[in-house]
Amino acid sequence: TQLLEQSPQFLSIQEGENLTVYCNSSSVFSSLQWYRQEPGEGPVLLVTVVTGGEVKKLKRLTFQFGDARKDSSLHITAAQPGDTGLYLCAQRWGGSYIPTFGRGTSLIVHP
Amino acid sequence: DTGVSQDPRHKITKRGQNVTFRCDPISEHNRLYWYRQTLGQGPEFLTYFQNEAQLEKSRLLSDRFSAERPKGSFSTLEIQRTEQGDSAMYLCASSFSSSSDSPLHFGNGTRLTVT
Repeated sequence: TQLLEQSPQFLSIQEGENLTVYCNSSSVFSSLQWYRQEPGEGPVLLVTVVTGGEVKKLKRLTFQFGDARKDSSLHITAAQPGDTGLYLCAQRWGGSYIPTFGRGTSLIVHP
Repeated sequence: DTGVSQDPRHKITKRGQNVTFRCDPISEHNRLYWYRQTLGQGPEFLTYFQNEAQLEKSRLLSDRFSAERPKGSFSTLEIQRTEQGDSAMYLCASSFSSSSDSPLHFGNGTRLTVT
């Protein structure tokens, strides 16, 4: 069974702190997508990473794709309450058109 | 707003009743997906359409579930003889098939509560 494991499952921090969340698999990713989901809404795409070792930045968010393409991380600098949400990674194995999602990291940033 | 829309946003039904949800994808998107999400979990794949053809269904999908996309535009998901375990958020997403990496655009879901 191909699974995406995300850690930590929950994270509660104060505004201004930094944090990193992880997405791992025993299988090689062809590409990986990160989504954020706010309560009562559907997930929204943040980024797609494709190349091993790739680093992408989106304002205070830094996404890294592992060299072996089996893991990815999302680092948030100086977290803000607006960053609160469920962070999901998603992967299509074997060129499938169907993304499989991890169970997510639920982040709460307290003002 | 030309995003994915889902109707209704909330549905409360009694066990044993049938329910139907509707999804209107982004108009130029030919791929449409249904996912189910329960509290503390990521979205779980249910079924996938390319245009009007239903190309894949999850093995977890009970025979009580059926989905259609009759003209390759909107889609419906019907659950017959609902059970309490069907309580979840049902998410619809669409994408354009330029590549297998095309991002999914999600609606805001239909939250189903079975009492």
